[in-house]
Amino acid sequence: QKEVEQNSGPLSVPEGAIASLNCTYSDRGSQSFFWYRQYSGKSPELIMFIYSNGDKEDGRFTAQLNKASQYVSLLIRDSQPSDSATYLCAVNRRGNNRLAFGKGNQVVVIP
Amino acid sequence: GAGVSQSPSNKVTEKGKDVELRCDPISGHTALYWYRQSLGQGLEFLIYFQGNSAPDKSGLPSDRFSAERTGGSVSTLTIQRTQQEDSAVYLCASSVPPGPLVEQYFGPGTRLTVT
Repeated sequence: QKEVEQNSGPLSVPEGAIASLNCTYSDRGSQSFFWYRQYSGKSPELIMFIYSNGDKEDGRFTAQLNKASQYVSLLIRDSQPSDSATYLCAVNRRGNNRLAFGKGNQVVVIP
Repeated sequence: GAGVSQSPSNKVTEKGKDVELRCDPISGHTALYWYRQSLGQGLEFLIYFQGNSAPDKSGLPSDRFSAERTGGSVSTLTIQRTQQEDSAVYLCASSVPPGPLVEQYFGPGTRLTVT
């Protein structure tokens, strides 16, 4: 089982709709969870982080964490064409300072 | 302020040659990480430095890979006798004193192509 899994294929959403991305992780001791956005040919850019169960909102982005079920999700409300990118889920395991990344989900917002 | 910088941005080398990749972290960030991203793959951890502590080399794929960090700041990743499978984007990240709740910030990466 991979440390971090993002299984969905490319996600196409119309402009203004909600994009929903999911990520599961294998280590129950994981403590912190990050969402990075990566535009084609660019480096990852941190957009959200969450440490506690529940929801965390920042502008049009909401991260949701459920430690019992070992998943973390990202919602993008009012999707814009500029949100078209690959979204990487990353997890910091207990006692470890490195991030484990999923392979990413590509989001395409259609004007 | 200035972000993480990396050089060169692109490097093309012949199989069997050695290459050096450079990373300059954000000022004040004591933790430095190297990752690589191959086509269609997620980011793969390579090595982590924190201050004067021994680095965590657990992600280095072979003994052809090594890294050093001088003066607690700039880091160099060296790949000896490069192979075609080493072709990837090599990303450096830095953070303030590390912990499980600390965010990492990435540089622009070095795209390495081994021909």
